[in-house]
Amino acid sequence: DAMVIQNPRYQVTQFGKPVTLSCSQTLNHNVMYWYQQKSSQAPKLLFHYYDKDFNNEADTPDNFQSRRPNTSFCFLDIRSPGLGDAAMYLCATSSGGHGANVLTFGAGSRLTVL
Amino acid sequence: GNSVTQMEGPVTLSEEAFLTINCTYTATGYPSLFWYVQYPGEGLQLLLKATKADDKGSNKGFEATYRKETTSFHLEKGSVQVSDSAVYFCALSEKYGGSQGNLIFGKGTKLSVKP
Repeated sequence: DAMVIQNPRYQVTQFGKPVTLSCSQTLNHNVMYWYQQKSSQAPKLLFHYYDKDFNNEADTPDNFQSRRPNTSFCFLDIRSPGLGDAAMYLCATSSGGHGANVLTFGAGSRLTVL
Repeated sequence: GNSVTQMEGPVTLSEEAFLTINCTYTATGYPSLFWYVQYPGEGLQLLLKATKADDKGSNKGFEATYRKETTSFHLEKGSVQVSDSAVYFCALSEKYGGSQGNLIFGKGTKLSVKP
């Protein structure tokens, strides 16, 4: 089945120790998104790629970076995780274009910062 | 700016009860509207959508109607099951413009259904 796969599902890191989360998709979608979801809150968009074009949300901290080496893969790098970065990180994809843009989400990567 | 407001939870119902989760939105353009569901420990799944005024989205017994006059997209189900226990998110995306396609979510409503 075509899908969005995130690894790892659970990541524990120490304060300040860099972390990389990965996302892969078999849908051949143009657009890939990273959302941050803190406990009992709405998912918040961090950035997205339309093909190779990177789009950063204005309030995304510099501590968060992203790479998309090819259509299938996208990475979220957290350079120096703080306690406030503990959250579920959701990757999503869409075909892009106008109209009802349906997003397909991965299962998420839950980050714990000690 | 665009925003979504949905009723706060948690909502606890008995099996076979009627469900309504209210959702209203603010948008500068003509958004598409969505309901996503998140089961425990999982990512979000699309439940239903509507792209223009008076459209009704439906899936798995859930329904929501795009009401432009009241800027609402309330989720309803006539008879809930224990397996419907999850967090439900209302969301919108603009069809055009620089932010088109990006989803803006409400805060989510947790539903618990008791046998």
